[in-house]
Amino acid sequence: DAKTTQPPSMDCAEGRAANLPCNHSTISGNEYVYWYRQIHSQGPQYIIHGLKNNETNEMASLIITEDRKSSTLILPHATLRDTAVYYCIVRAPTDKLIFGTGTRLQVFP
Amino acid sequence: GAVVSQHPSWVICKSGTSVKIECRSLDFQATTMFWYRQFPKQSLMLMATSNEGSKATYEQGVEKDKFLINHASLTLSTLTVTSAHPEDSSFYICSASPRTSGYNEQFFGPGTRLTVL
Repeated sequence: DAKTTQPPSMDCAEGRAANLPCNHSTISGNEYVYWYRQIHSQGPQYIIHGLKNNETNEMASLIITEDRKSSTLILPHATLRDTAVYYCIVRAPTDKLIFGTGTRLQVFP
Repeated sequence: GAVVSQHPSWVICKSGTSVKIECRSLDFQATTMFWYRQFPKQSLMLMATSNEGSKATYEQGVEKDKFLINHASLTLSTLTVTSAHPEDSSFYICSASPRTSGYNEQFFGPGTRLTVL
């Protein structure tokens, strides 16, 4: 069973920030929050991961609440190419990656 | 770096035939590779974990005799769908973990679309 809850779909205007929420209320102390995305008919692409501190890379920012029960992936300036299914996954470093249903993000012009 | 390839990218076969899909880590050695299956409009489902030089570990409900996995080298894992039937038509995706990272990092291939007529 997936350990995360995500909205099934979201829309975002091109150029605006896309904020994708994820609930993981049963997360354990050694589990990280990972985000992947899958563009149609392609393999998943790693975006970012974090344990408890906020993280930023060239693709996105990850904001994790202090109690670690939820997080938000932020795409600061969404483009049409960011249209994809975004998966939030909670796992310990040596656990398998188990995908939930994800959030289908549609970026519109 | 960290590129994973799959071959073929798509395949069409007749019912009852066997199909082999290759997964290669191009610029790193992978002690562990994973095979996923994805039906249309559904999420990825983990089928099995493949460790170099040992037998694969299959997830519950996955038939090991139907989905043969071989991980003969640190850069190659193969999935053979034996006696394929139309219900095996799916998108098969592999991923690989670099030798030094355990499962911490996983890099995904582009996927193979199998259509069984």
